[in-house]
Amino acid sequence: GQQVMQIPQYQHVQEGEDFTTYCNSSTTLSNIQWYKQRPGGHPVFLIQLVKSGEVKKQKRLTFQFGEAKKNSSLHITATQTTDVGTYFCAGSNDYKLSFGAGTTVTVRA
Amino acid sequence: KAGVTQTPRYLIKTRGQQVTLSCSPISGHRSVSWYQQTPGQGLQFLFEYFSETQRNKGNFPGRFSGRQFSNSRSEMNVSTLELGDSALYLCASSLGRGEAFFGQGTRLTVV
Repeated sequence: GQQVMQIPQYQHVQEGEDFTTYCNSSTTLSNIQWYKQRPGGHPVFLIQLVKSGEVKKQKRLTFQFGEAKKNSSLHITATQTTDVGTYFCAGSNDYKLSFGAGTTVTVRA
Repeated sequence: KAGVTQTPRYLIKTRGQQVTLSCSPISGHRSVSWYQQTPGQGLQFLFEYFSETQRNKGNFPGRFSGRQFSNSRSEMNVSTLELGDSALYLCASSLGRGEAFFGQGTRLTVV
């Protein structure tokens, strides 16, 4: 079945630095979604990418969808303490979202 | 508009018992999905319902079942509870293939 791998599992970032989390699927995806879960909270939708090679930006966050629609990345610039949480990618096929294990981000002030 | 509502928020059950969790989706959303979240396994897909029909199912044993009612509300049931079933159970609703809106979850503890 479809598997979505996400790395790194943990990311410790100095405030102000950049980082990237990567997502890879074993199969071609219809689309990929990204979610953020704050500690003690529930996943909240960030963005959906549909087209091959698509790039979308949300302020300091840049999302990319690979040409083969099997991988994606989330790049955060100038990390802030508000970026703390776990970022999940989720590949979509057949009315099913397959989530990666998530990247848990902590920020050193 | 109101978000996704899950009840109860917390539950403690004994091994061997069964449990029913409820999810009320956002008004107008006909798709409801269920996930199990544990620290070691992340978010695992259980099943997805659309207009009372199960469209997809994850790799969970038959002890895990669900249903959806005509008003799109959904329930999931776990029978013969095991210690390993302790987890946060999340429900998400959507219009279809797009953005999923998650509820706060039900924290199930099996003792």
